[in-house]
Amino acid sequence: AQSVAQPEDQVNVAEGNPLTVKCTYSVSGNPYLFWYVQYPNRGLQFLLKYITGDNLVKGSYGFEAEFNKSQTSFHLKKPSALVSDSALYFCAVRDSYEDSNYQLIWGAGTKLIIKP
Amino acid sequence: DVKVTQSSRYLVKRTGEKVFLECVQDMDHENMFWYRQDPGLGLRLIYFSYDVKMKEKGDIPEGYSVSREKKERFSLILESASTNQTSMYLCASSLWGRAKEQYFGPGTRLTVT
Repeated sequence: AQSVAQPEDQVNVAEGNPLTVKCTYSVSGNPYLFWYVQYPNRGLQFLLKYITGDNLVKGSYGFEAEFNKSQTSFHLKKPSALVSDSALYFCAVRDSYEDSNYQLIWGAGTKLIIKP
Repeated sequence: DVKVTQSSRYLVKRTGEKVFLECVQDMDHENMFWYRQDPGLGLRLIYFSYDVKMKEKGDIPEGYSVSREKKERFSLILESASTNQTSMYLCASSLWGRAKEQYFGPGTRLTVT
């Protein structure tokens, strides 16, 4: 069965420090992986995705994510955190072998808090 | 830029009322989605539509129905609102294709009393 896990409900980071938000997945075939961010009282915004190719994917707002097939992980990273990065982050996966065009499997979300 | 709009940001309804949530996208996307978001549960898909008048059930369709009469508009209907339908409702759209990202509206926070 397909699944996504975000093992941390909350991550606290000091401003200027590197940040990592973790995501692991389980699919039958090859994964399509996505990160979204939700700022307070707003809808979700797409950050980046991995489909194929280079394991390091760069996205919006200076974020990047590394696909690790052996560890079935897709951790979100940023070299230097900003207070404005404080938000709720969601990881999602789709199995490339699935017939459906639409079904994304979502993680429960990780609240990122950046302290000045 | 893709724009997805939802008819209300906040809505308060009484138990038993029929509730309509409207969603409009302006980028000619084939796919449209309705999710509900509850703390600790992530996003759960209620219904999905891949074309006008076409719909498929998601993970939690009970108590909901949808309508897509025009490509740009996707409506979620709560036939008889109940308190356990108090939640944040998110609409999204995307192009056809498995690797396509979804674009979300700002959400409607529905409270049923």
